[in-house]
Amino acid sequence: EAGVTQSPTHLIKTRGQQVTLRCSPISGHTSVYWYQQALGLGLQFLLWYDEGEERNRGNFPPRFSGRQFPNYSSELNVNALELEDSALYLCASSFIFGFSGNTIYFGEGSWLTVV
Amino acid sequence: AQSVTQLDSQVPVFEEAPVELRCNYSSSVSVYLFWYVQYPNQGLQLLLKYLSGSTLVKGINGFEAEFNKSQTSFHLRKPSVHISDTAEYFCAVRLNNAGNMLTFGGGTRLMVKP
Repeated sequence: EAGVTQSPTHLIKTRGQQVTLRCSPISGHTSVYWYQQALGLGLQFLLWYDEGEERNRGNFPPRFSGRQFPNYSSELNVNALELEDSALYLCASSFIFGFSGNTIYFGEGSWLTVV
Repeated sequence: AQSVTQLDSQVPVFEEAPVELRCNYSSSVSVYLFWYVQYPNQGLQLLLKYLSGSTLVKGINGFEAEFNKSQTSFHLRKPSVHISDTAEYFCAVRLNNAGNMLTFGGGTRLMVKP
């Protein structure tokens, strides 16, 4: 069974540009989570989608946005890139919203470098 | 709101020695507890989780953790580490209610030396 897949794996963008990161959850999972892992800042929660709706949002500016499609895949969009957006962006998925004991499975991440 | 504190940012240890990685949490409601491992240049992999029942939880790769409600701790232990255990370890909590995201600690880098 395929795990959580993310694309692209690495990318370099220029400050001010926009980027879209993509995530496919494990088959059957309806919840998708996005986390940012910047150097020295640990894992910061960005967004959580379930059944196509945004369920929760972390403390990030509005230029970080996303969506979840009917097939439960998800996109993370970052506009007006800043140097401090350079980070590993991790997508994760879990079974249906409703039981917090469900394991959240992570993808390998997308490495974004802003120059 | 919940929070997680990993008391040690780095833990150096010699191969075949025991290790304990410490994790404390705070929450006004009951939580589920998790330990994840991140090997270099990879995503996160679940080591173990505590939902209910026995407070001693066994995970993959010989790791175990003990939930202590009175001390609000969930320390991770391994009796004998290997070089391959060198990685970043993250403790996380999730509120015990209808669906919620994980809140992570700052991580502990385990460095196993030969």
